Amino acid sequence: GAVVSQHPSWVICKSGTSVKIECRSLDFQATTMFWYRQFPKQSLMLMATSNEGSKATYEQGVEKDKFLINHASLTLSTLTVTSAHPEDSSFYICSATLRDSPPYYGYTFGSGTRLTVV
Amino acid sequence: GQQVMQIPQYQHVQEGEDFTTYCNSSTTLSNIQWYKQRPGGHPVFLIQLVKSGEVKKQKRLTFQFGEAKKNSSLHITATQTTDVGTYFCAGSDSNYQLIWGAGTKLIIKP
Repeated sequence: GAVVSQHPSWVICKSGTSVKIECRSLDFQATTMFWYRQFPKQSLMLMATSNEGSKATYEQGVEKDKFLINHASLTLSTLTVTSAHPEDSSFYICSATLRDSPPYYGYTFGSGTRLTVV
Repeated sequence: GQQVMQIPQYQHVQEGEDFTTYCNSSTTLSNIQWYKQRPGGHPVFLIQLVKSGEVKKQKRLTFQFGEAKKNSSLHITATQTTDVGTYFCAGSDSNYQLIWGAGTKLIIKP
């Protein structure tokens, strides 16, 4: 089945630094990728939708200058948390689907990245 | 905006008892999907329901989609320790955007 690889699994960084998270679709071309944030014991919160070759669409309240998303190819999307602060500590998960096909197989999620900003 | 309400937030059951979680959407959905997230893990797709009144079974799991395509349920018969986790429903709009329920955490009492 479809596999989405997400790296790193966890990262600890100092406040003020930037962190890049990668999400790759391994055996299919993901025309659309979604980035989520999940706080402990809560549901997933959609941050942005990225389409290959175009600018990401951010959800209301998500700072586009802070969470930079790049979807340069059909198999790779990256999320960069710039000038990270402790309140950015969270679990970030990407998911992918083929926008032009009915999601018969649902959305495939990466394994997630636990970011801790100290 | 569109919302999907999911209840209960938690359910404690003895192993062997049944478990049910319910989702209700404020608007008609194109389809509804169910995911399971184990503690510390990521959501794993379980199933998608598309048709009005659809019922699907996966072993001990039964999924239903309401006639109006606004509500859905997941029922687990005779729970086992491997069923522990949080079950999320996610309604899909016509643009395939997922609207997530808050999740129901299944806890097996020792």
